[in-house]
Amino acid sequence: GENVEQHPSTLSVQEGDSAVIKCTYSDSASNYFPWYKQELGKGPQLIIDIRSNVGEKKDQRIAVTLNKTAKHFSLHITETQPEDSAVYFCAASRGGSYIPTFGRGTSLIVHP
Amino acid sequence: DTAVSQTPKYLVTQMGNDKSIKCEQNLGHDTMYWYKQDSKKFLKIMFSYNNKELIINETVPNRFSPKSPDKAHLNLHINSLELGDSAVYFCASSIPGQEYGYTFGSGTRLTVV
Repeated sequence: GENVEQHPSTLSVQEGDSAVIKCTYSDSASNYFPWYKQELGKGPQLIIDIRSNVGEKKDQRIAVTLNKTAKHFSLHITETQPEDSAVYFCAASRGGSYIPTFGRGTSLIVHP
Repeated sequence: DTAVSQTPKYLVTQMGNDKSIKCEQNLGHDTMYWYKQDSKKFLKIMFSYNNKELIINETVPNRFSPKSPDKAHLNLHINSLELGDSAVYFCASSIPGQEYGYTFGSGTRLTVV
């Protein structure tokens, strides 16, 4: 089955800095890679996703890159703000009836 | 309007009791799920239902029984609660096909004492 590794488990940055979270996956058939943000006391919320036919996608301060050959994908957050503090999860899925496999999460702390 | 709503938000109960968690979605999605999140934040799939039919049942004790009266509802009933059942349980929904993102509920924090 799919195995998703996510690093780092904790990331502490100063407000205004950039943050990068990296994930690797094992199943070359995976073709959909969503990222979720979980704020304290809430459920994970989809913030951005990328499909295997795209190498990069950007939405304001967040961007995701995908390297299919190396089987890794990353989340980039620029100009971090305290409200970016949360747990971020990556996931990988084959699509169809396959359940996505989640990474173990990265706790991002943005210090004001 | 809340897209995926779970009740209750907090549940504290004694070992051996039976309890239920309810989930409703108003997104018109056909597929619903239950996830368990442990103290280290790991998200583990428990069940997946598509249009009221059980699709996936991961290695979960048979004390856990999902019930889907219609495609907008997926409830989780737990018998003979154990200390290790303490966790946050999330309901989620999606349109058919896992290549689309999930919408998660806000979670139910279950504490077994």
